This record gives sequence, structure tokens and C-alpha cells, in this order.
Amino acid sequence: AQTVTQSQPEMSVQEAETVTLSCTYDTSESDYYLFWYKQPPSRQMILVIRQEAYKQQNATENRFSVNFQKAAKSFSLKISDSQLGDAAMYFCAQSGAGSYQLTFGKGTKLSVIP
Amino acid sequence: NAGVMQNPRHLVRRRGQEARLRCSPMKGHSHVYWYRQLPEEGLKFMVYLQKENIIDESGMPKERFSAEFPKEGPSILRIQQVVRGDSAAYFCASSLVPDSHYGYTFGSGTRLTVV
Repeated sequence: AQTVTQSQPEMSVQEAETVTLSCTYDTSESDYYLFWYKQPPSRQMILVIRQEAYKQQNATENRFSVNFQKAAKSFSLKISDSQLGDAAMYFCAQSGAGSYQLTFGKGTKLSVIP
Repeated sequence: NAGVMQNPRHLVRRRGQEARLRCSPMKGHSHVYWYRQLPEEGLKFMVYLQKENIIDESGMPKERFSAEFPKEGPSILRIQQVVRGDSAAYFCASSLVPDSHYGYTFGSGTRLTVV
């Protein structure tokens, strides 16, 4: 069975600063995918970034980047130059290669302080 | 190109009533997935459907819950005789192929409140 753990229920960051959200996962599969989703108060689930487990290079999307440590089964999200619009729930998710199911963590609520 | 459309956005039902949640997939997508988000929780897989077929309902409660995806029209998640514990946000996603490796586009969800 796959599990995804987000150990930080809440985080806060000053506007323009950098914050890192933690995520660990457990899977017996050798090939899989990892995702970070953002859920603002509108409730829309927005895909922020994805990582393929077979790629050693960390994924980057503008101000968002990940630190993928495969041996440690760790997948943290770094948000640089935080903006007020980054305030949201952030969910880490995992999927096996060829699978149609996503397994989500419980989320981290990020607040951005002006 | 409209995304995944869910309606209603909010639904209030009294205990014992039926709830019907609708999901229209993205154009051309024939694979639909339903997830449930309980308060303070992440999304949990419920069911995967293709047109006219239920492929995997391993995450669906055994009683009172059913899902369909007819040849024509939206996918429907039906909850009969709702109870307070059914209060949650229900999300739908769709895809061209049954592979989540690019992540899914989700709808905005339906928030069900049972009073």
C-alpha cells in the first residue's frame, strides 16, 4: 500500500521570503510519480509541479521547485519569493507508474504574511 | 476548451435524502475518477469509470453509494439515504488514458452538507 505523509499541518511565510513544505511517502514500486497540488479557498485543485521518480534532476516550475530524495523517500516543495496568492492548502500526492490512482497526504495550510 | 465541470457546487441534504453529484469530463475524455475529501483530510480515491463501465470501485463505501458514466451525459455519483458522515467535498477528474503520471485536471468539487 502507498502512503503519503505531510507532517506540517500549518506553515507561514513572510511575503517575498522562501518556504519549504515537507512530504514523505512509502511505496514498494520502483517507478512512480510525485505531485504537489495547491487548493486555494476556491477549492479548485491545481497541479503545481510533478516529478518522475526515475529522473534524478529536481523539477522546477518558476518559483516552485522540489527537493526529491529518492533513498529517503522525501519530496519537499520550495516556494521562493512567496506571494499573497500562494496562500492555500498544499497536498503532496503519489502515483505508481501505469496506475490511475493518486494517493494524497493530509495537506499543509500555508499562510503568507504581508 | 472547458475543464472538468461539476455541479452543483454546493448541495445541502437532510439526513435520509438522496444526493446526486454530476461531473462532465473534459472534451474527448472517456475516463472519469471520483475522489472524496473529508474535513481536514486529503483526497481519497472512490471510483474509476469509463463510458458505461465501472472499472474500479474499491474506494466506494459498500452501501448507499453508486456511480455511473452513461454513454451520453455526465457521470453521476449517487448517495442514497445520506448521513452526517457523508458531509465532504467530492471531486471529479478525467483523462484521455487511464494513467495518472501527468496528474489529473480536477473539477472544482461539490461540497455536500448533510443536516
